[in-house]
Amino acid sequence: NAGVTQTPKFQVLKTGQSMTLQCAQDMNHEYMSWYRQDPGMGLRLIHYSVGAGITDQGEVPNGYNVSRSTTEDFPLRLLSAAPSQTSVYFCASSYLSRGYGYTFGSGTRLTVV
Amino acid sequence: DAKTTQPPSMDCAEGRAANLPCNHSTISGNEYVYWYRQIHSQGPQYIIHGLKNNETNEMASLIITEDRKSSTLILPHATLRDTAVYYCIVRLPSGGSNYKLTFGKGTLLTVNP
Repeated sequence: NAGVTQTPKFQVLKTGQSMTLQCAQDMNHEYMSWYRQDPGMGLRLIHYSVGAGITDQGEVPNGYNVSRSTTEDFPLRLLSAAPSQTSVYFCASSYLSRGYGYTFGSGTRLTVV
Repeated sequence: DAKTTQPPSMDCAEGRAANLPCNHSTISGNEYVYWYRQIHSQGPQYIIHGLKNNETNEMASLIITEDRKSSTLILPHATLRDTAVYYCIVRLPSGGSNYKLTFGKGTLLTVNP
C-alpha cells in the first residue's frame, strides 16, 4: 500500500515549456485533488475530481489542465510554464464518504526559470 | 466553511503533552473539526477529526467544547518529530461546495529537547 505517489519530486522548466506532474493512489479513493503551496499563501486548490471522468476547477486553475481517466491516476498538466507557477505541488486523495481525512503525496517542487 | 483561529506558534518540552488550541466560533451544526500537520518540506498529514464528541486515535486526542466553538488537539507525549505546523480546519464531512480544504496559517509547534 503505497498511498499517494507523486512524480517527479523535483523539476526545473524553462518558461513556455509544458510538462505533466503525475499523481497515483492505490487506495481506491474517489476524490483526488491538486494543491499548490507558496510561501505566505498557504495551500490553494487547483483542480479536483470526484471520480473517473469527472473534474472541476478549484480556486487557482488558470494555466493547468487535468483529466481523470482512471480511479488511480490524476495527472496535472502545465500547458506553457510561467515563473509564477514556481511552487510546491501536492496531490491529495480521499474517500467521499462522511468524515474521511485526506491523504497527501510528498510533493513536487517545480521551478520555472 | 467556518473560519478558524490558531496561535501562530507554541513551544513544548519533549515528553510533555502538547495542547494546541483552535477557535471556531462560527461553526455550524453539521461541520466537523479536522486537524492536519505539515512537517517541514513534506505533504500535510491527517491527524484526527470529530463532530462533537471527544476523539482519540494512535496519534492524538481531540477535545471539542460542549458549545463546539473551540477545540484542543492533544499530543500526549510530544517528541522532536512532532515539530510541525498544525492546521485546524472546520468543514462539512462530504466536502461542502467543492471539497476544498481551506488551510489557514496554522500553529508552528516546536518541541524542544
